[in-house]
Amino acid sequence: RKEVEQDPGPFNVPEGATVAFNCTYSNSASQSFFWYRQDCRKEPKLLMSVYSSGNEDGRFTAQLNRASQYISLLIRDSKLSDSATYLCVVLSYGGATNKLIFGTGTLLAVQP
Amino acid sequence: ETGVTQSPTHLIKTRGQQVTLRCSSQSGHNTVSWYQQALGQGPQFIFQYYREEENGRGNFPPRFSGLQFPNYSSELNVNALELDDSALYLCASSRGPVYGYTFGSGTRLTVV
Repeated sequence: RKEVEQDPGPFNVPEGATVAFNCTYSNSASQSFFWYRQDCRKEPKLLMSVYSSGNEDGRFTAQLNRASQYISLLIRDSKLSDSATYLCVVLSYGGATNKLIFGTGTLLAVQP
Repeated sequence: ETGVTQSPTHLIKTRGQQVTLRCSSQSGHNTVSWYQQALGQGPQFIFQYYREEENGRGNFPPRFSGLQFPNYSSELNVNALELDDSALYLCASSRGPVYGYTFGSGTRLTVV
């Protein structure tokens, strides 16, 4: 079983749609959680950190459920420019065991 | 504020050769980590350095080694290159685990 699992997609949605991505992680000791966005042949860029209380940044909302080891990202009112791969990232740290683990990414294609 | 810079941007090597990739971390960041990203996959964690000491390692063989220097820049060395080492190598820096990581644009390594 992979440490971080995501639906690879692709998700093809029309402009203006709401789309949700899910991610599960296997290491209960994981301590920090992020969503990154990666455009084709570019480096990943931090979209937002994910907190247990949930957090929102404009059209983007991230949620963390530690009990279920589940992370989500909701994008409202999708724009063409949202088309990219969305990577779920989990960080476990402490002593000599710091590890940043990426999911394989979910591809989003927003259609006009 | 200078971001993360990597060099070279592209590199072609022959199987069995050795390669050194370089990374300058973002100003104020004392943690550097390296990732290998094959086409269509999420980045795979290679290792991480904090204040010149390795403090985390992924499932990569010992022929993948690294260094972090007092100015927090870093090198990734790969010995005895194999064809499967062909990938995008990403460097990321951080000022602390909860702040997320900033990525460089990567070095695309091709082994022939």
